[in-house]
Amino acid sequence: GAGVSQTPSNKVTEKGKYVELRCDPISGHTALYWYRQSLGQGPEFLIYFQGTGAADDSGLPNDRFFAVRPEGSVSTLKIQRTERGDSAVYLCASSLLRSSGGLLTGELFFGEGSRLTVL
Amino acid sequence: AQKITQTQPGMFVQEKEAVTLDCTYDTSDPSYGLFWYKQPSSGEMIFPIYQGSYDQQNATEGRYSLNFQKARKSANLVISASQLGDSAMYFCAMRESVIIQGAQKLVFGQGTRLTINP
Repeated sequence: GAGVSQTPSNKVTEKGKYVELRCDPISGHTALYWYRQSLGQGPEFLIYFQGTGAADDSGLPNDRFFAVRPEGSVSTLKIQRTERGDSAVYLCASSLLRSSGGLLTGELFFGEGSRLTVL
Repeated sequence: AQKITQTQPGMFVQEKEAVTLDCTYDTSDPSYGLFWYKQPSSGEMIFPIYQGSYDQQNATEGRYSLNFQKARKSANLVISASQLGDSAMYFCAMRESVIIQGAQKLVFGQGTRLTINP
């Protein structure tokens, strides 16, 4: 597809359940990011992949959160034993990083997000 | 420490007027990038404008321009001749990156909700 695709667009689950959120980035984009956006807040960084490896997972709130990108394209964010506080919109973004004058540049293209509601 | 500060939770502007959305940032990294994103009610983040810390000129994209004042660490977004479709949340974001092998994450501000009145 032309843009970043995220599924499901909406997910309602019960406390304690396991959830998977999927992100299909723009074809050819090497970098992939997950963000979480709570109501009325700016997006908060969770994890960033460069290729298949997690280059920075410092934003994952705890060990209930895990993300994979096994083939360097599609990524899955996994949340175990969901809690009500996990309710948020989970945004995925991808970018094609390029070096320019020693700096990495490349804007992030975001998907429309997956809205997770934990009851 | 707060890296990106947007002090205006909401702004109301008459159609066709210009509007300035404030953003200040904090970093010790000499190389960084500043972004503004628009988020309409649909939820998608739309990227209108980018400014690199070493860019000599202020960034301009159509009706969007970025008033970049490096010494003051501010990167205000200016929208000229506002339109009803400009109504949205606007987020200022910063990426610090001097490492070729890996890019740092974007850090977002709290956002400003812009409402254009007819």
